[in-house]
Amino acid sequence: DQQVKQNSPSLSVQEGRISILNCDYTNSMFDYFLWYKKYPAEGPTFLISISSIKDKNEDGRFTVFLNKSAKHLSLHIVPSQPGDSAVYFCAPLRGSQGNLIFGKGTKLSVKP
Amino acid sequence: AAGVIQSPRHLIKEKRETATLKCYPIPRHDTVYWYQQGPGQDPQFLISFYEKMQSDKGSIPDRFSAQQFSDYHSELNMSSLELGDSALYFCASSRWGDGDEQYFGPGTRLTVT
Repeated sequence: DQQVKQNSPSLSVQEGRISILNCDYTNSMFDYFLWYKKYPAEGPTFLISISSIKDKNEDGRFTVFLNKSAKHLSLHIVPSQPGDSAVYFCAPLRGSQGNLIFGKGTKLSVKP
Repeated sequence: AAGVIQSPRHLIKEKRETATLKCYPIPRHDTVYWYQQGPGQDPQFLISFYEKMQSDKGSIPDRFSAQQFSDYHSELNMSSLELGDSALYFCASSRWGDGDEQYFGPGTRLTVT
């Protein structure tokens, strides 16, 4: 049973516009959520995270929103740039120093 | 800044052979995680070590074993290789108390023929 769902396998956005990547989870015990970006032939790169005690965390062009009651989080990228084109993984953390549980990823394509 | 180092980057083995993958964490990181990503799949957690002790175990087959050494590097030993073991194997590291972010290496691509 998939604990983390990224229902959009791909997303195409025009450069300069907003990219919104969504993630749903089932386990209410997750207390920390991370987003990773992955380019082909490279390991996942940490992007941004949010603790379950917050509902928003912002870092430059990246903002993550958490709705605990809906068990939903989203990553907003504004403005989107062609270099943002990659696969984005939502990865809740099971306990401190625990293992990441990855969604299947969303492939973002930002067109110039 | 130093990153997680994995070796080898590519490995080709035949069925029933053994393979050893190595991971060198970021300096001062004390926790190492191993993940397996099959073709078209999301990364799946295998096993983790904190201060040389196994800290958590995921979907790691009994044919696989791993350990963390005194210098904090880790090795994943895989025996009786099967075709289904062909995957990308990622190692990640973190440091207790420095947040929960895990930093990934570039991965080892294992192909079993």
